[in-house]
Amino acid sequence: SQKIEQNSEALNIQEGKTATLTCNYTNYSPAYLQWYRQDPGRGPVFLLLIRENEKEKRKERLKVTFDTTLKQSLFHITASQPADSATYLCAGLNNAGNMLTFGGGTRLMVKP
Amino acid sequence: DAGVIQSPRHEVTEMGQEVTLRCKPISGHNSLFWYRQTMMRGLELLIYFNNNVPIDDSGMPEDRFSAKMPNASFSTLKIQPSEPRDSAVYFCASSHFPLGNEQFFGPGTRLTVL
Repeated sequence: SQKIEQNSEALNIQEGKTATLTCNYTNYSPAYLQWYRQDPGRGPVFLLLIRENEKEKRKERLKVTFDTTLKQSLFHITASQPADSATYLCAGLNNAGNMLTFGGGTRLMVKP
Repeated sequence: DAGVIQSPRHEVTEMGQEVTLRCKPISGHNSLFWYRQTMMRGLELLIYFNNNVPIDDSGMPEDRFSAKMPNASFSTLKIQPSEPRDSAVYFCASSHFPLGNEQFFGPGTRLTVL
C-alpha cells in the first residue's frame, strides 16, 4: 500500500541551528508532496508544496527538497527559533490523484 | 474570512449514541475533506467532496459513518451508533479544486466516546 513515513521520534535542537526533517514514501510515486505544521490542539497549517519535477523549494527560512531516486523529501528550517516548535506533517498525492496520504508527523522541539 | 468552522469543539458521549459533527468550509472553496486523527493511526482521510458531491469515501471505516454536504457552505459527519474506538479528533478541511492546492483545516472536534 502507498505509505508516507516520517520519523516518529521527536527532534530536539538548539535555537539557531538548522532543523532537518525527513519524509519517505514507499510503493508509489507522488506527483507532489505537501508539508504542514500542526500546533497542539489545532488543525494543520499548510507550509509548502513541492512537485516531483522540482528539486528544491524555498520560503523564507524554510526549504524543501524532493529526491525521486531516494524516494524522499527533506524539510529544513534554518536559524530555528523556539516558536518553530511544533509537529510537522508530510503529505503525498496518491496515484489516483484523488486524495492525500499523510505521514505520522515529526515533533520538533527548539530549545533556547 | 473566518476560516473553516467546526462544531462542536468537544463532544463527550456514551457508546451507542448518535454523534453529528458539523463543518462550514471557507466561502468559495469547492472541495471539502473530513479527516480523523489519532495517536496510533495519524491523520486519515475519511471522505472527500467536490462541488458538494462525494468523490471518494473509501476511508470511511464502516457503515456507522456517514457524511453529507447539502450545499456549498455546510457538511456533516455522523456516527451512529458511536463506539469507544471512534474517539479521536475529527478535522474538516477545504480547498480550491484541484486537489493539489493547499488545504485549510478547521480547529477540529475532539470526540470522546465512553
